[in-house]
Amino acid sequence: KQEVTQIPAALSVPEGENLVLNCSFTDSAIYNLQWFRQDPGKGLTSLLLIQSSQREQTSGRLNASLDKSSGRSTLYIAASQPGDSATYLCALTYGQNFVFGPGTRLSVLP
Amino acid sequence: EAGVTQFPSHSVIEKGQTVTLRCDPISGHDNLYWYRRVMGKEIKFLLHFVKESKQDESGMPNNRFLAERTGGTYSTLKVQPAELEDSGVYFCASSLTGVSDTQYFGPGTRLTVL
Repeated sequence: KQEVTQIPAALSVPEGENLVLNCSFTDSAIYNLQWFRQDPGKGLTSLLLIQSSQREQTSGRLNASLDKSSGRSTLYIAASQPGDSATYLCALTYGQNFVFGPGTRLSVLP
Repeated sequence: EAGVTQFPSHSVIEKGQTVTLRCDPISGHDNLYWYRRVMGKEIKFLLHFVKESKQDESGMPNNRFLAERTGGTYSTLKVQPAELEDSGVYFCASSLTGVSDTQYFGPGTRLTVL
C-alpha cells in the first residue's frame, strides 16, 4: 500500500527566502508525481508534473525533483513571495489510483 | 478555454437527505476523476471514468455513493442518504489521456451534512 507523507506540515518564512518542501512515498512503482497548490476555499492548481523517467521539472521560480529509488520528491521555491502562501500537496499516480499527501501549509510573511 | 467546473460550490443538507454534485470536465477530456477531502484529512481518490465507463471505483466509500457519466461528458456524484461523515470538499478533475497525464482540478463542492 502506498503511503505519502509531507514534511513539514506547516512552514512560515520571511519574504525573499528560498525554501524546500518535501514529499516521501513508500513504494517507488509510480507513474508520475504531481505538485499542487491549494488556496483557501479554492480548488487545486497543478504546479509541476514529473514523469517517473524524469529527475526534475522547472517552471518559473519552482523546481521539483524526483528520486524514485529513495522515495522522495522536493519542491524548491526560489525568492518566496507572500502570494506563494498556500497549501502545497504532492500526489502520486500509483497503479490506477492517485494518492495524495497531507500537504504542507506555507506562509510567506511580508 | 473553460476549466473544470463543479456545481454547486456549497451544499448544506440534513442527514438522510440526498445530494447530487455535478462536474463538467474540460471539453475533450475522456478521463474524469472524483476525490474528496474530509475535514483535517488528506484528499482521497474516489473513482475514475474513461468516457462513460468506470475505470476504477475502488475509492468509493460505500453504496450510498453513486457516480454516473452518461454520454461521457459531465458526471454526477449522488450521495443517498447522506451521513454526517460525508461532510467535506468533493473535487473533480479531468485529463486528456490516462493517469500519466496532468490532471486539472475543479474548484470543489463543499458539502456540509447537519
